[in-house]
Amino acid sequence: QLLEQSPQFLSIQEGENLTVYCNSSSVFSSLQWYRQEPGEGPVLLIALYKAGELTSNGRLTAQFGITRKDSFLNISASIPSDVGIYFCAGQLSGANSKLTFGKGITLSVRP
Amino acid sequence: DTAVSQTPKYLVTQMGNDKSIKCEQNLGHDTMYWYKQDSKKFLKIMFSYNNKELIINETVPNRFSPKSPDKAHLNLHINSLELGDSAVYFCASSPHGGLTNEKLFFGSGTQLSVL
Repeated sequence: QLLEQSPQFLSIQEGENLTVYCNSSSVFSSLQWYRQEPGEGPVLLIALYKAGELTSNGRLTAQFGITRKDSFLNISASIPSDVGIYFCAGQLSGANSKLTFGKGITLSVRP
Repeated sequence: DTAVSQTPKYLVTQMGNDKSIKCEQNLGHDTMYWYKQDSKKFLKIMFSYNNKELIINETVPNRFSPKSPDKAHLNLHINSLELGDSAVYFCASSPHGGLTNEKLFFGSGTQLSVL
């Protein structure tokens, strides 16, 4: 598996913060985080392009590792609509390189 | 005004049949993709077309044949369906393709069940 995500399942209380991780032995030109809600396709949350880049999108914050091999996604003050599967996806350098997805982390939020 | 739309949403069919899934994007993107999501939710790319030209063709049985009549449409035809083809198939598009740092826009998926 090119991209490892942990943990595979996560259940948290509404209002809690959480951090999920994405690791690889490969170097990526970009690293992206997607969320998939039940019955829908994945939706892009954050895209990272520079080593060490820290980017926020509302309550979401993600960082691209210095070595471009890893990333984390932090969700603050979780709410019920944060439920879904969180995928990291990495793209290798080179023309026509494909975006490869991790196995995803399934998040549930307890009210 | 759905950006990437695919039909049908659900497809239930018998083994051995031939079926097609259609996809259209109104984003003006150059590149379209088919991804397969298995029962464990693993997403794997199948094909990618850039401006009607096939650029990515993963190890997929030749029973699967994509067709792109124009850059806004990418259809997937599957011959002789097998039980193992049951999955959710997602169409996606990206602005340029063939470059790094592409962002994907997904359709809502077609759940295929082969009985």
